[in-house]
Amino acid sequence: DAKTTQPTSMDCAEGRAANLPCNHSTISGNEYVYWYRQIHSQGPQYIIHGLKNNETNEMASLIITEDRKSSTLILPHATLRDTAVYYCIVILRVDKIIFGKGTRLHILP
Amino acid sequence: DGGITQSPKYLFRKEGQNVTLSCEQNLNHDAMYWYRQDPGQGLRLIYYSQIVNDFQKGDIAEGYSVSREKKESFPLTVTSAQKNPTAFYLCASSQVAANEQFFGPGTRLTVL
Repeated sequence: DAKTTQPTSMDCAEGRAANLPCNHSTISGNEYVYWYRQIHSQGPQYIIHGLKNNETNEMASLIITEDRKSSTLILPHATLRDTAVYYCIVILRVDKIIFGKGTRLHILP
Repeated sequence: DGGITQSPKYLFRKEGQNVTLSCEQNLNHDAMYWYRQDPGQGLRLIYYSQIVNDFQKGDIAEGYSVSREKKESFPLTVTSAQKNPTAFYLCASSQVAANEQFFGPGTRLTVL
């Protein structure tokens, strides 16, 4: 079973920040939080990952709570091309990735 | 360009036939993976390989077979024993010590 819980779907207006939540209450101390997204009928694309500290790259920001039981992926200025399914994944080893159902994000014009 | 290629993008087969999906990577990654995705579902691991000539079953290996004769290639055979083979198949690769997997574009298999 996936170790994360995400909302099934979310809407966000174009140009606004999209905040995607993820609960991972059973995360262990050395497990990373990863985010991937999958645009329809394509392979998943890596977005960002983190262990304890907040992280930012050219695509997104990742905010991890102090107790590490939840995190939020932030797309600062959502565009229509950000419409996709977003997967929050907790992993220790690269061969043990389990993808849940993810959050279907709709960016509204 | 470095990356992972899967071919073909769409594949149709008759029920009872074996079919082999190709996956090639030129990223010099040691580890390769095969996932299956059904509509509205997450990805499920079929097989993975961390080194040439070695591979392990994932969560749903029944009805599938793989080989890893070369580092850059990890073909998946969907056999007639797989009861519901129609799905979207994704191949991925990674360095063994890393945590990021890179995915190919996928092959959509339809069994008629």
